[in-house]
Amino acid sequence: KQEVTQIPAALSVPEGENLVLNCSFTDSAIYNLQWFRQDPGKGLTSLLLIQSSQREQTSGRLNASLDKSSGRSTLYIAASQPGDSATYLCAVTTSQLSFGAGTTVTVRA
Amino acid sequence: GAVVSQHPSRVICKSGTSVKIECRSLDFQATTMFWYRQFPKKSLMLMATSNEGSKATYEQGVEKDKFLINHASLTLSTLTVTSAHPEDSSFYICSAGPPPAGGPYEQYFGPGTRLTVT
Repeated sequence: KQEVTQIPAALSVPEGENLVLNCSFTDSAIYNLQWFRQDPGKGLTSLLLIQSSQREQTSGRLNASLDKSSGRSTLYIAASQPGDSATYLCAVTTSQLSFGAGTTVTVRA
Repeated sequence: GAVVSQHPSRVICKSGTSVKIECRSLDFQATTMFWYRQFPKKSLMLMATSNEGSKATYEQGVEKDKFLINHASLTLSTLTVTSAHPEDSSFYICSAGPPPAGGPYEQYFGPGTRLTVT
């Protein structure tokens, strides 16, 4: 059974600092990996989708890397802003989506 | 991108009553939709896979008689929580995705439904 782990569980940084969020998974036979953002009490917003054949995806200040062989993905958020405060979830697709527990990010103004 | 809606966004009901949550794909047809449940500060857990025109597939530990799923059309799946109890209070999220020619696909998520059972 696929297990997805996100470290750290929570992160607090001053505005402007770069964020590094980690995700690891146990079964490397994935089709893709997604990073989501979730605001309190809200649904999921898809940030980046990386296919298994890709090594990274970029969107604005966000960059996600994927090392399928080692079962790891990292989400980088450059020059963090208070509006980036949210919980970030990673999920991998095998026969279904398996989610990590998320990293809750607080960016202090 | 594809849009998935859920209704209602928030519902409060009394213990013992039933609540129906709708999940709609607005601009694509979805033969398969997924229902997730999320407890506070926990990851989403897949409850069941909803298949259009056939019975849903439930994950281990999910009571199919309690969480009734109906996927009557290619754009609508419903989750009915029957005889709700306070422990059923949770955030329920559905997802759907247009299938590709083969293999899993990118899923689009609904905004979620906050259920509170008093």
